[in-house]
Amino acid sequence: NAGVTQTPKFQVLKTGQSMTLQCAQDMNHEYMSWYRQDPGMGLRLIHYSVGAGITDQGEVPNGYNVSRSTTEDFPLRLLSAAPSQTSVYFCASRDPANYGYTFGSGTRLTVV
Amino acid sequence: DQQVKQNSPSLSVQEGRISILNCDYTNSMFDYFLWYKKYPAEGPTFLISISSIKDKNEDGRFTVFLNKSAKHLSLHIVPSQPGDSAVYFCAARRNQGGKLIFGQGTELSVKP
Repeated sequence: NAGVTQTPKFQVLKTGQSMTLQCAQDMNHEYMSWYRQDPGMGLRLIHYSVGAGITDQGEVPNGYNVSRSTTEDFPLRLLSAAPSQTSVYFCASRDPANYGYTFGSGTRLTVV
Repeated sequence: DQQVKQNSPSLSVQEGRISILNCDYTNSMFDYFLWYKKYPAEGPTFLISISSIKDKNEDGRFTVFLNKSAKHLSLHIVPSQPGDSAVYFCAARRNQGGKLIFGQGTELSVKP
């Protein structure tokens, strides 16, 4: 039972490069979401999905794309990385039986 | 607009004493509140929660108090232990399908 798995754990990008942060969960949770954590800002919601084929924007969606083709996977794409996207990114899924979210261990992204 | 606020970025407490972490919110439609604990290089983990129909919930050394009229909740840790040193996030949601909105976090340091 792996829970929520995020890859990679660390990444350095050059400005303008693109990349995909991977997130997978094995708990059959319908709801998944992406957050970014910045000093003094807490955790801010980027995008979320209530099930396969359904996604929606959170508080800070600009510069990010998501898709949800399966229940298990919820990748986050940076189309053209900017230094402002330097952050720690967390993927989370929610158990409908309770109100708790399970978080992955995070991806630390640096854009230079 | 920060709907969930943790105004103290840090708190230092002596081992064995009480730790009190505070959280304020602005949206009266929030119906469920949660506290998460985060160690460095790990994802947040669920700690304790409270429904808006209650004013107190206790789980071992951890107690959460909710004052709806003041739109304020607090987390009490008694007695505090060095292993409690972490960042604590307050979070709130508006309904069962609602997004989780986080505060900025408070870094607790429990000194031996």
